Amino acid sequence: AQKITQTQPGMFVQEKEAVTLDCTYDTSDQSYGLFWYKQPSSGEMIFLIYQGSYDEQNATEGRYSLNFQKARKSANLVISASQLGDSAMYFCAMRELMNTGFQKLVFGTGTRLLVSP
Amino acid sequence: DGGITQSPKYLFRKEGQNVTLSCEQNLNHDAMYWYRQDPGQGLRLIYYSQIVNDFQKGDIAEGYSVSREKKESFPLTVTSAQKNPTAFYLCASSKAGLGELFFGEGSRLTVL
Repeated sequence: AQKITQTQPGMFVQEKEAVTLDCTYDTSDQSYGLFWYKQPSSGEMIFLIYQGSYDEQNATEGRYSLNFQKARKSANLVISASQLGDSAMYFCAMRELMNTGFQKLVFGTGTRLLVSP
Repeated sequence: DGGITQSPKYLFRKEGQNVTLSCEQNLNHDAMYWYRQDPGQGLRLIYYSQIVNDFQKGDIAEGYSVSREKKESFPLTVTSAQKNPTAFYLCASSKAGLGELFFGEGSRLTVL
């Protein structure tokens, strides 16, 4: 079974600074996908960024970038120029194909990010 | 606007009562999912459905039931057999079971 590990329960960063949220994964599949989601206090999960295992370049979406190191099995999220609205829980997830040929997402335990003024 | 609507947002029930959580999507997605979230844990898959009239158990299906009579709707029933039902429940959908999942705003169930 695949596994996602997020070792940072909480992170603090000052506004306008960059922050890296760690994520390591374990899989024996050659083809896989990695996702990052943001969960504000309101509860909904917001998709941020996706990296496919065969993508040669690191994914970027605005202020979000994914530092993908395949050999180390890590997929860290980098948020540049942090804003107060970035304060939330952040989850790393991996796509796992089930016996039915269908996908599910396996989630890590999350990192709570607090951005201070 | 397209999206996923979950209701109710908050629900309180006594032990031994069945509870049904609603999930409706207008994204025309084939796949729908129910996840459970507990404090300090990630999301865990309860049930999923690839097409209408078909659904499969996820990792923690015991004590839950679902139906998929319409493409847009995937209600979850938390039965009295679920030993620890107090949790935050998230419904999601995806196109053809691949790619990113789109989530609803969640339903918080508290059993007294």
